[in-house]
Amino acid sequence: SAVISQKPSRDICQRGTSLTIQCQVDSQVTMMFWYRQQPGQSLTLIATANQGSEATYESGFVIDKFPISRPNLTFSTLTVSNMSPEDSSIYLCSVVWSGRARDEQFFGPGTRLTVL
Amino acid sequence: RKEVEQDPGPFNVPEGATVAFNCTYSNSASQSFFWYRQDCRKEPKLLMSVYSSGNEDGRFTAQLNRASQYISLLIRDSKLSDSATYLCVVNRGGRRALTFGSGTRLQVQP
Repeated sequence: SAVISQKPSRDICQRGTSLTIQCQVDSQVTMMFWYRQQPGQSLTLIATANQGSEATYESGFVIDKFPISRPNLTFSTLTVSNMSPEDSSIYLCSVVWSGRARDEQFFGPGTRLTVL
Repeated sequence: RKEVEQDPGPFNVPEGATVAFNCTYSNSASQSFFWYRQDCRKEPKLLMSVYSSGNEDGRFTAQLNRASQYISLLIRDSKLSDSATYLCVVNRGGRRALTFGSGTRLQVQP
């Protein structure tokens, strides 16, 4: 499988600021998603990043708080806006490769965010 | 009720043991099923997909019972390197979004 990278790998931010996380894939993918994993918990889907259109958000997540871009088939960004300590989490992008059967998703290495 | 529920764990087993993890899902329309493995401070990695007929990959065997909405993972001859958290994962279909169980932690001891 191809390589998924995320930037930054970690960051410590002040409350009220915003952070943009990048997800880069080295080949075209059909689907990209953003997940959050809060400390000691499992993964929760934030949204599906749609190429060329607005992201599809899950219940409890809104565009104003988590704006997402996906300008092409290999890149997406997630912004965590107006951060609070409750946003401290690992944020992961995942992809479905073109031509893969069974909807198998593969994850980037994650961005560990700490909000003070 | 959670959409995907797993054994609470942790499971502490000696090397060479056989260990089984169970998982139930609530959405009968779920279409695809997976086991992921997550090591401490790492991203989840796909261990295996789960097929209706059951499937095996080396020491790992996965089973699916659609009627009971039940998924299992069997690990034979446990290795120290199998120590990790095992996540039961279900695809709700449609947008191919995954729903994760809370995970079961396995610790294989020498």
